[in-house]
Amino acid sequence: DQQVKQNSPSLSVQEGRISILNCDYTNSMFDYFLWYKKYPAEGPTFLISISSIKDKNEDGRFTVFLNKSAKHLSLHIVPSQPGDSAVYFCAASGNQFYFGTGTSLTVIP
Amino acid sequence: GAVVSQHPSWVICKSGTSVKIECRSLDFQATTMFWYRQFPKQSLMLMATSNEGSKATYEQGVEKDKFLINHASLTLSTLTVTSAHPEDSSFYICSANFIFSGANNEQFFGPGTRLTVL
Repeated sequence: DQQVKQNSPSLSVQEGRISILNCDYTNSMFDYFLWYKKYPAEGPTFLISISSIKDKNEDGRFTVFLNKSAKHLSLHIVPSQPGDSAVYFCAASGNQFYFGTGTSLTVIP
Repeated sequence: GAVVSQHPSWVICKSGTSVKIECRSLDFQATTMFWYRQFPKQSLMLMATSNEGSKATYEQGVEKDKFLINHASLTLSTLTVTSAHPEDSSFYICSANFIFSGANNEQFFGPGTRLTVL
C-alpha cells in the first residue's frame, strides 16, 4: 500500500513561471516531510523539508506547504529555471521513510 | 503500484558485529537496485549500485569490504554492514529500478532500515 503518493508522473512548465508539485499521504502519524531532486544517474539531493508543526517552509525559490487536514504536501518553485528539470520525490517519515514515486519536471526555456 | 520492502526496519547491534539488511521488490523484477545512506536533514548518499548477477558498483569513498552487497536474484539485494561501529549508525535505504515498456524508468524506494550501533 502506497503511503505517499505523487499522482502526476510528469509536469511541464515554462521558464519563469511557477512549478507546483503535489504529494499526498495517508498516515497522520508522519511528523516530517522532505522533498528531493534527482538528476539521471545521480542519487536524490535533499531540497527542503518541513516539520508537521509548521504549514510552510521557504528556502529561496523553493517553498513547501503542508496541509495536515488534507494530508497534502506541495512544493512550489518560483521562478522555474531550466536547471530545475529533474525528477522530484516527496518523502514522509515517522519511524520509517516512505517515498512517493516521483514527478518528472521539465522547465521549457 | 510497485512495492519495495526492507527487512529489518530497525536493528540495534553491538559494535563489532555484522548486520544484514534485505531489500526486496515485491511485485516486479528489478534489474538494478540502489543502496543509500540517509543522514538527518541531508541528501540521500548513494553508496552503491547493484545489478543482478554481477558485482556492485561502489561510489567513491564507500568501502566495499565494509558494505558487502549481494544481488542474488531479480527481486532481492542484501547489504551487509561488517564489523559495524557507532559511526555506521544511520538510515539505510534501498531503491529499485523498474523499466516499463515504453522506456520510462521509475525508481521505487524501500522504507529504510534504521541501524543503531551501540
